[in-house]
Amino acid sequence: GQQLNQSPQSMFIQEGEDVSMNCTSSSIFNTWLWYKQDPGEGPVLLIALYKAGELTSNGRLTAQFGITRKDSFLNISASIPSDVGIYFCAGQAGTYKYIFGTGTRLKVLA
Amino acid sequence: ETGVTQTPRHLVMGMTNKKSLKCEQHLGHNAMYWYKQSAKKPLELMFVYNFKEQTENNSVPSRFSPECPNSSHLFLHLHTLQPEDSALYLCASSQVTGEGYTFGSGTRLTVV
Repeated sequence: GQQLNQSPQSMFIQEGEDVSMNCTSSSIFNTWLWYKQDPGEGPVLLIALYKAGELTSNGRLTAQFGITRKDSFLNISASIPSDVGIYFCAGQAGTYKYIFGTGTRLKVLA
Repeated sequence: ETGVTQTPRHLVMGMTNKKSLKCEQHLGHNAMYWYKQSAKKPLELMFVYNFKEQTENNSVPSRFSPECPNSSHLFLHLHTLQPEDSALYLCASSQVTGEGYTFGSGTRLTVV
């Protein structure tokens, strides 16, 4: 079945550092999404990507839709303590259906 | 109320109990979903409803029974659950394909 592999699984960074994470698949997707989940809450959509090669920003967050359509990347610049949480990628696997990655757990050290 | 609201936020139930989870969306979306989130596992799609019609059942055991009376409300009826069913159950909605989901805050379910 379709799977999304996210790396790293977890990371500790110092406040102010830039963060990079990625999501890869053996399948092609037409849409990639990035979500963040805070403890005790549901995931919140950060960025949506609809076109191969697309680079989209949302504040300090930048995401890219890989040219092969099998991967996507998320960068966070100048991290702050509230960036802590779990970041999920998701690829559109069919009408009304998304496949989610295993998540990258981010911890920011002040 | 705005967004997607789930109740209750926390639920502890015995294996012989019957309970229901409720989800309501105030976004005018036409598709609603149930996802299961277990520790260290990807989000698992359980059910998809599109305009009140179930369009996907992802091989979910019959002890989970969904109900979608209208496009704004979604229920998950639970009976004779197992301890391994303990998880965070997330409801989501969407308007059209490709625009992603809006998730609720989830119901933390513990089966004892």
